[in-house]
Amino acid sequence: AQRVTQPEKLLSVFKGAPVELKCNYSYSGSPELFWYVQYSRQRLQLLLRHISRESIKGFTADLNKGETSFHLKKPFAQEEDSAMYYCVPYNTDKLIFGTGTRLQVFP
Amino acid sequence: GAVVSQHPSWVICKSGTSVKIECRSLDFQATTMFWYRQFPKQSLMLMATSNEGSKATYEQGVEKDKFLINHASLTLSTLTVTSAHPEDSSFYICSARWGDRVSDGYTFGSGTRLTVV
Repeated sequence: AQRVTQPEKLLSVFKGAPVELKCNYSYSGSPELFWYVQYSRQRLQLLLRHISRESIKGFTADLNKGETSFHLKKPFAQEEDSAMYYCVPYNTDKLIFGTGTRLQVFP
Repeated sequence: GAVVSQHPSWVICKSGTSVKIECRSLDFQATTMFWYRQFPKQSLMLMATSNEGSKATYEQGVEKDKFLINHASLTLSTLTVTSAHPEDSSFYICSARWGDRVSDGYTFGSGTRLTVV
């Protein structure tokens, strides 16, 4: 089964600073990964999926098979980016959430 | 599109009573829905997978007689917390996959905050 690790429970940055939320995976095969975000008092929503290679709200995430990572990056953090972020593998037709990383962006 | 509606958004009940939470897919059919539980400042814990027309599949450690799941139609799944106790107080969230492929992503309800007094 796919497993991911988000080593940081809390990441605090100032507005305008670059941000990188780390996600490392261990999986023998082709990894399938999402980034989900939960803003305060809002429902969980899909942010990125690795197969799409898209940029949403300025965030990007590249799958690095050599480093087995899928870090979420944004060059200039905004206050509204403050939220819980989950790197989630999908397999066996269900999502299993890890501990996540809380991003705090200070003004 | 791909909206999941969850009701009620909050409920307070007395210890020993049962509470039903509904999860509806509004603009798509969901053969599979998922129920999660989230404690304050913690991650989501998958409780069970709800399958339309068949029995739910529960995760290890989740009491199926305590948390009854019914998925009678392609747009509705219900979670009933039976004989609720204060330790059942939590935030319950449902989810459904809106496309045919796993990679399509999952959409989540807004959650139900249950308080048992």
